[in-house]
Amino acid sequence: DAKTTQPTSMDCAEGRAANLPCNHSTISGNEYVYWYRQIHSQGPQYIIHGLKNNETNEMASLIITEDRKSSTLILPHATLRDTAVYYCIVRVVSNYQLIWGAGTKLIIKP
Amino acid sequence: GAVVSQHPSRVICKSGTSVKIECRSLDFQATTMFWYRQFPKQSLMLMATSNEGSKATYEQGVEKDKFLINHASLTLSTLTVTSAHPEDSSFYICSADRGGTTEAFFGQGTRLTVV
Repeated sequence: DAKTTQPTSMDCAEGRAANLPCNHSTISGNEYVYWYRQIHSQGPQYIIHGLKNNETNEMASLIITEDRKSSTLILPHATLRDTAVYYCIVRVVSNYQLIWGAGTKLIIKP
Repeated sequence: GAVVSQHPSRVICKSGTSVKIECRSLDFQATTMFWYRQFPKQSLMLMATSNEGSKATYEQGVEKDKFLINHASLTLSTLTVTSAHPEDSSFYICSADRGGTTEAFFGQGTRLTVV
Protein backbone atom coordinates (compact mmCIF):
# COMPACT_ATOMS: atom_id res chain seq x y z
CA ASP A 1 0.00 0.00 0.00
CA ALA A 2 1.32 3.42 -0.93
CA LYS A 3 2.41 5.69 1.90
CA THR A 4 2.48 9.46 2.00
CA THR A 5 4.86 12.01 3.44
CA GLN A 6 3.87 15.53 4.41
CA PRO A 7 5.57 18.40 6.20
CA THR A 8 4.87 18.36 9.92
CA SER A 9 3.57 21.90 10.07
CA MET A 10 2.98 25.02 7.99
CA ASP A 11 1.88 28.58 8.56
CA CYS A 12 -0.17 30.71 6.22
CA ALA A 13 -1.47 34.25 6.44
CA GLU A 14 -5.20 34.75 6.51
CA GLY A 15 -6.57 35.55 3.06
CA ARG A 16 -3.63 34.03 1.24
CA ALA A 17 -3.57 30.74 -0.59
CA ALA A 18 -2.40 27.78 1.48
CA ASN A 19 -0.46 25.20 -0.51
CA LEU A 20 0.00 21.85 1.20
CA PRO A 21 2.36 19.37 -0.46
CA CYS A 22 2.27 15.59 -0.29
CA ASN A 23 4.60 12.93 -1.62
CA HIS A 24 3.24 9.52 -2.58
CA SER A 25 6.01 8.11 -4.74
CA THR A 26 4.89 4.49 -4.43
CA ILE A 27 1.31 5.06 -5.47
CA SER A 28 -0.07 2.49 -7.88
CA GLY A 29 -2.09 3.19 -10.99
CA ASN A 30 -5.51 2.53 -9.54
CA GLU A 31 -5.05 4.31 -6.22
CA TYR A 32 -6.70 7.64 -5.57
CA VAL A 33 -5.29 10.54 -3.57
CA TYR A 34 -7.62 11.79 -0.86
CA TRP A 35 -7.36 14.82 1.36
CA TYR A 36 -9.07 15.13 4.73
CA ARG A 37 -8.71 17.59 7.54
CA GLN A 38 -9.33 17.31 11.24
CA ILE A 39 -10.12 20.21 13.46
CA HIS A 40 -9.24 19.61 17.08
CA SER A 41 -11.38 16.94 18.78
CA GLN A 42 -13.63 16.41 15.79
CA GLY A 43 -13.97 13.65 13.22
CA PRO A 44 -12.08 14.07 9.93
CA GLN A 45 -13.74 16.10 7.21
CA TYR A 46 -13.48 15.13 3.55
CA ILE A 47 -11.97 17.82 1.32
CA ILE A 48 -11.26 16.45 -2.13
CA HIS A 49 -9.90 13.46 -4.01
CA GLY A 50 -8.44 12.71 -7.44
CA LEU A 51 -6.80 10.08 -9.60
CA LYS A 52 -4.86 11.78 -12.39
CA ASN A 53 -6.48 15.05 -13.30
CA ASN A 54 -6.53 18.21 -11.26
CA GLU A 55 -9.71 18.63 -9.30
CA THR A 56 -11.53 21.61 -7.83
CA ASN A 57 -14.52 21.94 -5.57
CA GLU A 58 -15.99 24.59 -3.31
CA MET A 59 -13.39 23.94 -0.63
CA ALA A 60 -10.11 23.43 -2.46
CA SER A 61 -8.13 22.48 -5.52
CA LEU A 62 -6.02 19.38 -5.93
CA ILE A 63 -3.02 19.42 -8.23
CA ILE A 64 -1.53 16.01 -9.05
CA THR A 65 1.77 15.78 -10.89
CA GLU A 66 1.87 13.97 -14.19
CA ASP A 67 3.83 11.07 -12.73
CA ARG A 68 1.38 10.98 -9.78
CA LYS A 69 4.20 10.82 -7.28
CA SER A 70 3.15 14.00 -5.53
CA SER A 71 0.22 16.34 -5.13
CA THR A 72 -0.65 19.73 -3.68
CA LEU A 73 -3.79 20.78 -1.92
CA ILE A 74 -4.63 24.44 -2.40
CA LEU A 75 -6.95 26.39 -0.14
CA PRO A 76 -7.40 29.52 -2.25
CA HIS A 77 -8.28 32.04 0.46
CA ALA A 78 -7.37 30.66 3.86
CA THR A 79 -9.39 31.72 6.89
CA LEU A 80 -8.76 31.21 10.58
CA ARG A 81 -11.28 28.37 10.51
CA ASP A 82 -9.01 26.46 8.16
CA THR A 83 -6.55 25.87 10.99
CA ALA A 84 -6.46 22.08 11.27
CA VAL A 85 -4.39 18.97 10.63
CA TYR A 86 -4.52 18.07 6.93
CA TYR A 87 -4.08 14.48 5.89
CA CYS A 88 -3.05 13.29 2.46
CA ILE A 89 -4.11 9.69 2.04
CA VAL A 90 -3.90 7.07 -0.65
CA ARG A 91 -6.97 4.95 -1.03
CA VAL A 92 -6.53 1.21 -1.00
CA VAL A 93 -9.08 0.28 -3.61
CA SER A 94 -9.16 -3.42 -2.79
CA ASN A 95 -10.56 -3.05 0.71
CA TYR A 96 -11.43 0.65 0.89
CA GLN A 97 -9.09 1.30 3.81
CA LEU A 98 -7.57 4.71 4.35
CA ILE A 99 -3.96 4.64 5.49
CA TRP A 100 -3.36 7.68 7.70
CA GLY A 101 0.00 9.40 7.99
CA ALA A 102 0.95 12.07 10.47
CA GLY A 103 -0.57 14.92 8.47
CA THR A 104 0.37 18.58 8.27
CA LYS A 105 -0.67 20.96 11.02
CA LEU A 106 -1.73 24.10 9.18
CA ILE A 107 -1.92 27.27 11.23
CA ILE A 108 -3.63 30.27 9.68
CA LYS A 109 -2.38 33.49 11.18
CA PRO A 110 -4.29 36.78 11.21
CA GLY B 1 -22.81 15.20 1.77
CA ALA B 2 -23.71 12.02 3.57
CA VAL B 3 -24.04 12.09 7.33
CA VAL B 4 -22.59 9.72 9.87
CA SER B 5 -23.77 10.13 13.42
CA GLN B 6 -21.71 8.85 16.32
CA HIS B 7 -23.04 8.65 19.84
CA PRO B 8 -22.17 9.51 22.54
CA SER B 9 -19.76 12.33 21.81
CA ARG B 10 -18.27 12.14 25.27
CA VAL B 11 -18.42 9.51 27.98
CA ILE B 12 -16.79 9.01 31.35
CA CYS B 13 -16.94 5.56 32.88
CA LYS B 14 -15.51 3.73 35.83
CA SER B 15 -12.70 1.27 35.43
CA GLY B 16 -14.04 -2.25 34.86
CA THR B 17 -17.28 -1.21 33.24
CA SER B 18 -18.24 -1.52 29.57
CA VAL B 19 -19.09 1.28 27.18
CA LYS B 20 -20.97 1.06 23.90
CA ILE B 21 -20.43 3.53 21.09
CA GLU B 22 -22.86 3.73 18.17
CA CYS B 23 -22.14 4.71 14.62
CA ARG B 24 -25.02 5.34 12.24
CA SER B 25 -25.11 6.24 8.58
CA LEU B 26 -28.17 8.47 8.38
CA ASP B 27 -28.88 8.76 4.67
CA PHE B 28 -27.07 5.91 2.98
CA GLN B 29 -26.39 2.23 3.44
CA ALA B 30 -22.89 1.46 4.57
CA THR B 31 -21.67 -1.98 3.64
CA THR B 32 -18.38 -1.29 5.40
CA MET B 33 -17.64 0.69 8.51
CA PHE B 34 -14.30 1.37 10.11
CA TRP B 35 -13.36 2.04 13.72
CA TYR B 36 -10.36 4.16 14.63
CA ARG B 37 -8.66 5.19 17.82
CA GLN B 38 -6.72 8.40 18.17
CA PHE B 39 -4.42 9.33 21.03
CA PRO B 40 -3.54 12.97 21.71
CA LYS B 41 -1.40 14.58 19.02
CA GLN B 42 -1.32 11.36 17.01
CA SER B 43 -2.92 10.26 13.78
CA LEU B 44 -5.87 7.94 13.44
CA MET B 45 -5.10 4.30 14.01
CA LEU B 46 -7.36 1.76 12.38
CA MET B 47 -8.72 -0.74 14.88
CA ALA B 48 -11.06 -2.84 12.81
CA THR B 49 -13.07 -3.12 9.63
CA SER B 50 -16.70 -4.02 10.01
CA ASN B 51 -18.84 -5.54 7.28
CA GLU B 52 -22.58 -5.88 7.65
CA GLY B 53 -23.62 -9.34 8.66
CA SER B 54 -20.15 -10.75 9.18
CA LYS B 55 -17.43 -10.72 11.79
CA ALA B 56 -15.20 -7.70 12.01
CA THR B 57 -11.60 -7.84 10.86
CA TYR B 58 -9.26 -6.56 13.54
CA GLU B 59 -5.89 -4.96 12.99
CA GLN B 60 -2.83 -6.52 14.52
CA GLY B 61 -2.53 -5.77 18.19
CA VAL B 62 -6.20 -4.93 18.71
CA GLU B 63 -7.91 -7.30 21.12
CA LYS B 64 -11.14 -8.52 19.60
CA ASP B 65 -12.49 -9.70 22.93
CA LYS B 66 -11.96 -6.29 24.45
CA PHE B 67 -13.27 -4.22 21.56
CA LEU B 68 -16.47 -5.91 20.45
CA ILE B 69 -17.82 -4.76 17.13
CA ASN B 70 -21.30 -5.49 15.85
CA HIS B 71 -22.55 -4.46 12.43
CA ALA B 72 -26.07 -5.78 12.49
CA SER B 73 -27.55 -3.58 9.79
CA LEU B 74 -26.44 -1.48 6.85
CA THR B 75 -26.84 1.70 8.88
CA LEU B 76 -25.54 0.78 12.32
CA SER B 77 -22.28 -0.45 13.76
CA THR B 78 -21.43 -0.53 17.44
CA LEU B 79 -18.15 -0.68 19.30
CA THR B 80 -18.21 -1.94 22.87
CA VAL B 81 -15.17 -1.39 25.02
CA THR B 82 -15.40 -4.15 27.60
CA SER B 83 -13.89 -3.98 31.07
CA ALA B 84 -12.50 -0.56 30.34
CA HIS B 85 -9.28 0.60 31.95
CA PRO B 86 -7.67 4.04 32.07
CA GLU B 87 -5.33 3.14 29.22
CA ASP B 88 -8.41 2.72 27.00
CA SER B 89 -9.11 6.41 27.38
CA SER B 90 -8.92 7.82 23.87
CA PHE B 91 -10.81 9.43 21.03
CA TYR B 92 -12.75 6.80 19.06
CA ILE B 93 -13.93 7.59 15.55
CA CYS B 94 -16.04 5.63 13.12
CA SER B 95 -16.38 6.01 9.38
CA ALA B 96 -18.85 4.59 6.91
CA ASP B 97 -18.13 3.79 3.31
CA ARG B 98 -20.48 3.47 0.38
CA GLY B 99 -17.80 1.67 -1.54
CA GLY B 100 -16.24 2.36 -4.90
CA THR B 101 -14.27 5.54 -5.20
CA THR B 102 -16.48 7.79 -3.13
CA GLU B 103 -15.19 9.31 0.05
CA ALA B 104 -15.58 7.79 3.49
CA PHE B 105 -17.75 9.74 5.89
CA PHE B 106 -16.75 10.18 9.50
CA GLY B 107 -18.62 10.45 12.73
CA GLN B 108 -17.96 13.25 15.17
CA GLY B 109 -15.89 11.01 17.40
CA THR B 110 -16.34 9.82 20.99
CA ARG B 111 -14.08 11.00 23.76
CA LEU B 112 -13.82 8.13 26.24
CA THR B 113 -12.38 8.78 29.67
CA VAL B 114 -11.99 5.85 32.04
CA VAL B 115 -11.51 6.80 35.67
